[in-house]
Amino acid sequence: NAGVTQTPKFRVLKTGQSMTLLCAQDMNHEYMYWYRQDPGMGLRLIHYSVGEGTTAKGEVPDGYNVSRLKKQNFLLGLESAAPSQTSVYFCASSYSRGTIDGYTFGSGTRLTVV
Amino acid sequence: GQQLNQSPQSMFIQEGEDVSMNCTSSSIFNTWLWYKQEPGEGPVLLIALYKAGELTSNGRLTAQFGITRKDSFLNISASIPSDVGIYFCAGMNYGGSQGNLIFGKGTKLSVKP
Repeated sequence: NAGVTQTPKFRVLKTGQSMTLLCAQDMNHEYMYWYRQDPGMGLRLIHYSVGEGTTAKGEVPDGYNVSRLKKQNFLLGLESAAPSQTSVYFCASSYSRGTIDGYTFGSGTRLTVV
Repeated sequence: GQQLNQSPQSMFIQEGEDVSMNCTSSSIFNTWLWYKQEPGEGPVLLIALYKAGELTSNGRLTAQFGITRKDSFLNISASIPSDVGIYFCAGMNYGGSQGNLIFGKGTKLSVKP
């Protein structure tokens, strides 16, 4: 049982390049989330999804897009990367929102934009 | 938006010492959570608190949900080197647009053997 798997684990981008981060969960969770973590900061919610085909904005959505075409996958896209998007990105999933039951984090993707 | 103030930002302690950290909020939460994060990993849940005044232990860790629902603390007794990491508090409310986790900025714990 893998839980929440994020790929890639590390990536370096040039300013203006695009990329997609993949999050996959095998727990049949309805809810999935993308967070970013910057030095000296807690995790901040970028976007989340309450089910297949649905997405919603979190606290810091600007510069990112997401898609949830399949229940088990939640993709985070950067269309034109900027140095301010250098961060560690964490995906999480849960049975439902507003409860901590089964809330599981991936191990992160470290992204550097130069 | 909601913000959590977590203190201290960092702690350097000797093995065997007790540790205390706390978290305060400008608004109430229905659930308080404490996480630990080690280098290169995602946060791992240590303790979840669901009721004002609740005191919960997990081994050497004890956490309390403040009566006002605007604060929580975490204590670690008799610290050991493997306690090293960053500890985060987080708050959550039930339902609607409030059902997301709000994180504090973390307390970085260093333990000297």
